[in-house]
Amino acid sequence: SQKIEQNSEALNIQEGKTATLTCNYTNYSPAYLQWYRQDPGRGPVFLLLIRENEKEKRKERLKVTFDTTLKQSLFHITASQPADSATYLCALDMGNDYKLSFGAGTTVTVRA
Amino acid sequence: GAGVSQSPSNKVTEKGKDVELRCDPISGHTALYWYRQRLGQGLEFLIYFQGNSAPDKSGLPSDRFSAERTGESVSTLTIQRTQQEDSAVYLCASSQQGISTDTQYFGPGTRLTVL
Repeated sequence: SQKIEQNSEALNIQEGKTATLTCNYTNYSPAYLQWYRQDPGRGPVFLLLIRENEKEKRKERLKVTFDTTLKQSLFHITASQPADSATYLCALDMGNDYKLSFGAGTTVTVRA
Repeated sequence: GAGVSQSPSNKVTEKGKDVELRCDPISGHTALYWYRQRLGQGLEFLIYFQGNSAPDKSGLPSDRFSAERTGESVSTLTIQRTQQEDSAVYLCASSQQGISTDTQYFGPGTRLTVL
């Protein structure tokens, strides 16, 4: 079955710096990856989707890369702000039409 | 319109009791998903609805778990004879078509505590 690993350690960074989160997977290579943000006590919120034929995707201060050779996606938050503090989840398609498999998430804390 | 809503937001129950969790998806969304999230862990898929049928129930942990959906509307997840290991946050999500490139819109979750 698909195994998804995200940074096991929480990330603590200074405001203004770039946070880089990793999402590694084994076995099945997904056709695309999604990234979600989850705040405490709330459900995840969709941020970005990247397809296997896209090397990079950007949205405002967010950048996602997808390396199918390394079986890895990197998620960058540039010019980070305290409001970016949250848990970030990667989600991979499962090779069927409807299902996603979610990683455990990486918690980011941005210090002012 | 309104997002996905779930009720109750918190539920504390005694071991052995039955509980019902409710999800109201976004109007017009044909697909509905239930997930379980244990503390510090990822989302564990439970069941997928397309309309009122459930083509994939593979994530339901045991026959104590069941779910129904009325048309393309409300869904209920029922846990019978609750056990302490059922304690978790139960999240519901809906999406427009139920294809995996769709954005899934999540509710706030129901936090279940089994004493």
